[in-house]
Amino acid sequence: DIQLTQSPSFLSASVGDRVTITCRASQGISTSLAWYQQKPGKAPKLLIYAGSTLETGVPARFSGSTSGTEFTLTITSLQPEDSATYYCQQPKSYPLTFGGGTKVEIK
Amino acid sequence: EVQLVESGGGLVQPGGSLRLSCATSGFSFSDHYIDWFRQAPGKGPEWVGRSSSKAYSYSTKYAASVTGRFTISRDDSQSSLWLQMNSLKIEDTAVYYCARGVAVAGAVYLDFWGQGTLVTVSS
Repeated sequence: DIQLTQSPSFLSASVGDRVTITCRASQGISTSLAWYQQKPGKAPKLLIYAGSTLETGVPARFSGSTSGTEFTLTITSLQPEDSATYYCQQPKSYPLTFGGGTKVEIK
Repeated sequence: EVQLVESGGGLVQPGGSLRLSCATSGFSFSDHYIDWFRQAPGKGPEWVGRSSSKAYSYSTKYAASVTGRFTISRDDSQSSLWLQMNSLKIEDTAVYYCARGVAVAGAVYLDFWGQGTLVTVSS
């Protein structure tokens, strides 16, 4: 199985801050990675797919990048509504797997 | 508008069975993958299984933890999918989601999700 190691597991930042979340894959998955945002009691919401493609309707302050087996989700100017848990997920091979999640808190 | 609506969750005893439904609308059902995920309380999402699209002969794949106990079926005429869960264990307790998959560059991404249905396995 492909393991995804996500860091940090928790971060607290202020409105307007630049926030970066990292996801490292245990083996090469090309650019096949998705990022999801999940708020309490809600289903995950697709933000980024194919490593760096912004899903329709997602604000442009979210971006994704890839370097080898390391993937990064960046929020350039954190907003109050971005308080949530973020997960990376690989669709490259079965079983599909998720990172452990990053809880983002607004100070 | 794309919609997926799960139903059928509830309380079941260990060893029991439950059948979840995923009713969809707003898209060409037969052209899409549909996956099941679950999320135990306080945990991250876990992939359960997949029903591939008509183009891939509706083939199915399952997570190791549910293989032999869970079965996915679909009826394109009803734009619906089912998850038959047998021999349920306490560790199957979770919110179960169905999600629509779209193929991009050889990978399948889940772009629309239902609201989830809670399955509780307890004596």
